[in-house]
Amino acid sequence: DQQVKQNSPSLSVQEGRISILNCDYTNSMFDYFLWYKKYPAEGPTFLISISSIKDKNEDGRFTVFLNKSAKHLSLHIVPSQPGDSAVYFCAASARNNNDMRFGAGTRLTVKP
Amino acid sequence: ETGVTQSPTHLIKTRGQQVTLRCSSQSGHNTVSWYQQALGQGPQFIFQYYREEENGRGNFPPRFSGLQFPNYSSELNVNALELDDSALYLCASSPTGTSFTDTQYFGPGTRLTVL
Repeated sequence: DQQVKQNSPSLSVQEGRISILNCDYTNSMFDYFLWYKKYPAEGPTFLISISSIKDKNEDGRFTVFLNKSAKHLSLHIVPSQPGDSAVYFCAASARNNNDMRFGAGTRLTVKP
Repeated sequence: ETGVTQSPTHLIKTRGQQVTLRCSSQSGHNTVSWYQQALGQGPQFIFQYYREEENGRGNFPPRFSGLQFPNYSSELNVNALELDDSALYLCASSPTGTSFTDTQYFGPGTRLTVL
């Protein structure tokens, strides 16, 4: 059962422009959401997170938006840099259920 | 501070065999989680250990088992290997609690191929 979905397998943007990566979830019990970035031959690295009590969290060039009514979150990267090229995973967890669900990932390519 | 390491990097087994994968967590990290990542998919949670006790489990059969040791190392054991067990296996450690709000630090993974 795919409770976390990333419907775009890939995204290509020009350096300096905005990258928007989307994620949808179905389980209304999820109350904590994370984005991980993965380079080839490395494990995922934590990027940014958001609790369900917020609708926005910002960290430098990275901003995550959460729309609970739509069960949708997005990651904005502004401005995009070639070093941002990686696979981005969205993940969700529920505080009272010791489990974490990942989406299938979106491969971002930032062209110089 | 050393990162999370996993061994071996790659492994080839045949159906029906047993395999042990190893993970060395960051020093001081009491929680370790294991994930299976099939090709083209996101990581799937297998189980989590906290202070050497299993603390949560995903939808995986009992032939997937684990151990965590006091020296911050852990093992994932898979018995009676099936072709579908071919995947990248990731371990992740976190410093304190067992909640997934605690940042997890992932190792590079072990690529298991079952023939």
